Amino acid sequence: DGGITQSPKYLFRKEGQNVTLSCEQNLNHDAMYWYRQDPGQGLRLIYYSQIVNDFQKGDIAEGYSVSREKKESFPLTVTSAQKNPTAFYLCASTWASTSGYNEQFFGPGTRLTVL
Amino acid sequence: AQSVTQLGSHVSVSEGALVLLRCNYSSSVPPYLFWYVQYPNQGLQLLLKYTSAATLVKGINGFEAEFKKSETSFHLTKPSAHMSDAAEYFCAVRTVNYGGSQGNLIFGKGTKLSVKP
Repeated sequence: DGGITQSPKYLFRKEGQNVTLSCEQNLNHDAMYWYRQDPGQGLRLIYYSQIVNDFQKGDIAEGYSVSREKKESFPLTVTSAQKNPTAFYLCASTWASTSGYNEQFFGPGTRLTVL
Repeated sequence: AQSVTQLGSHVSVSEGALVLLRCNYSSSVPPYLFWYVQYPNQGLQLLLKYTSAATLVKGINGFEAEFKKSETSFHLTKPSAHMSDAAEYFCAVRTVNYGGSQGNLIFGKGTKLSVKP
């Protein structure tokens, strides 16, 4: 089955630690995205990548880093510089094209809690 | 800049009643609009999308939405609510980059739907 997987489902971090969230897709999508979700705030874009070895900052990139070494993978690192990282993190992907009608497909999410 | 507003962070209906979730957008160009549903602790699932082929769009699970350009709205409806419809619903609009290439999705803050027995 094609889809997007995220791991782990739950992640606990101590203050001062960096943690990496995994996102893998086998949909042959070009573009991948990371969102942060907090209650009542909708989804906010952290980083996105339209092609391998290239990525751009979203609206709330401070304290986060990403890499895109393979088309299938787009890991997100939450660094110690992110002061309030407790949130639900969602990864998404889609085709990169000039059509605006392509929907994004979402993974199941990772819930990160800072202890 | 494009934006989307969802009126009402929480909507409660009785089972069998009409569901109406409101979404208004601002866009200087023809918009690309989407509705997603999220069940607790899960990712988002596409309900439907506006493709300009028809103003009334039918989606999964009996939901539909009507695009009204004059009102800049894309409200989501379902004639008869079911307990399984309890979830959070997000409206989204896609930006258009300079040159016309596909941009990013901008999401509303979401509306939580509760269904009472």
